[in-house]
Amino acid sequence: AQSVAQPEDQVNVAEGNPLTVKCTYSVSGNPYLFWYVQYPNRGLQFLLKYITGDNLVKGSYGFEAEFNKSQTSFHLKKPSALVSDSALYFCAVRDNGGANNLFFGTGTRLTVIP
Amino acid sequence: ETGVTQTPRHLVMGMTNKKSLKCEQHLGHNAMYWYKQSAKKPLELMFVYSLEERVENNSVPSRFSPECPNSSHLFLHLHTLQPEDSALYLCASSQATSGGPWEQYFGPGTRLTVT
Repeated sequence: AQSVAQPEDQVNVAEGNPLTVKCTYSVSGNPYLFWYVQYPNRGLQFLLKYITGDNLVKGSYGFEAEFNKSQTSFHLKKPSALVSDSALYFCAVRDNGGANNLFFGTGTRLTVIP
Repeated sequence: ETGVTQTPRHLVMGMTNKKSLKCEQHLGHNAMYWYKQSAKKPLELMFVYSLEERVENNSVPSRFSPECPNSSHLFLHLHTLQPEDSALYLCASSQATSGGPWEQYFGPGTRLTVT
């Protein structure tokens, strides 16, 4: 079975500081990992995905994520946080049976403090 | 959003009512999904359709009935719901249900309240 865990329900960071939202995964075989963001009253928006290759994946809005196989982690990062980054962030892993189904974490609420 | 749209955005219904949620994707995708989002819980995958054929039904109660008349439209028919069914219902689409991996594109959701 495959799953992801987001250990922090809430992350607070000051505007301009770097931010990290943590995700660890459990999957047999090669992991396909995703990050999504959800703004209030909106659906989830795709940020980035890891398939293979470079461990640092760049995505939308200046976000990037670092894949670490030995630590089974896929943390989301941004060098300088903006107030507008405040939202709910979801990590997801694809079904490793070949179907395109995604298994999501419980989400991390990021608050960027002006 | 013009990619994936959902109507209505908000719905309040009694336990004996019948209502339907509608989803439409304008992305030319071949796969569509229904998810349930409840507070503090992971998104729950409910149904998956590939080219109008249901390929997955994750033990969802029969009071939820999906319909996919074509690859652009997806419905979720609701009847005799329970208060615990109150949640945000999200529709998503992707290029396909196999191969890829394909990112899924989500609609804004329907906030359902069962009274």
